[in-house]
Amino acid sequence: GQNIDQPTEMTATEGAIVQINCTYQTSGFNGLFWYQQHAGEAPTFLSYNVLDGLEEKGRFSSFLSRSKGYSYLLLKELQMKDSASYLCAVLDNYGQNFVFGPGTRLSVLP
Amino acid sequence: GAVVSQHPSRVICKSGTSVKIECRSLDFQATTMFWYRQFPKQSLMLMATSNEGSKATYEQGVEKDKFLINHASLTLSTLTVTSAHPEDSSFYICSARGSRDRGNSPLHFGNGTRLTVT
Repeated sequence: GQNIDQPTEMTATEGAIVQINCTYQTSGFNGLFWYQQHAGEAPTFLSYNVLDGLEEKGRFSSFLSRSKGYSYLLLKELQMKDSASYLCAVLDNYGQNFVFGPGTRLSVLP
Repeated sequence: GAVVSQHPSRVICKSGTSVKIECRSLDFQATTMFWYRQFPKQSLMLMATSNEGSKATYEQGVEKDKFLINHASLTLSTLTVTSAHPEDSSFYICSARGSRDRGNSPLHFGNGTRLTVT
């Protein structure tokens, strides 16, 4: 079966650092993606991991441990505009289907 | 590049009527289209996957006769919600992958359609 877990909601303060976790159990794995989605809008791509380790892109970093079925998205120097839902998605064995996690709603407070 | 245009962005229809949502790839050939539905404060739920020129593959629990998907060309896929009911009110999002996309290529999303059935 396919199962992806994320915390439902998180709150952090402007300027701080926040880590959003994602654990997955899927029938196959061809990479893990993180997306940001503002309410009423389409998701936008943030990062991709297929090998273990940390990928850094500006204020955003993403980590993957395939043996643990675990990933996290790290957001630094939080800004108010970072308030959004963050979705992790696993690409399955066939490289065709994306399985999305439930999403984490992040609220950044002043 | 890799722009997906989805239309309409919002639609309100009466119960019992049908609504068509279009999804176009503007600058690439979309060999595979994915249709998602998203209820408030929930994640994306895959409804169906369609490959150009073949019948769509529906996820378990999605009625294929109610949600008609056509992917007749490499640049256009449509989702028709037939005999819409208030419980079909949701945010529908299409996404696409092209022939040049590889494993590390993200999905290209349309901007979504907010459907409200009264």
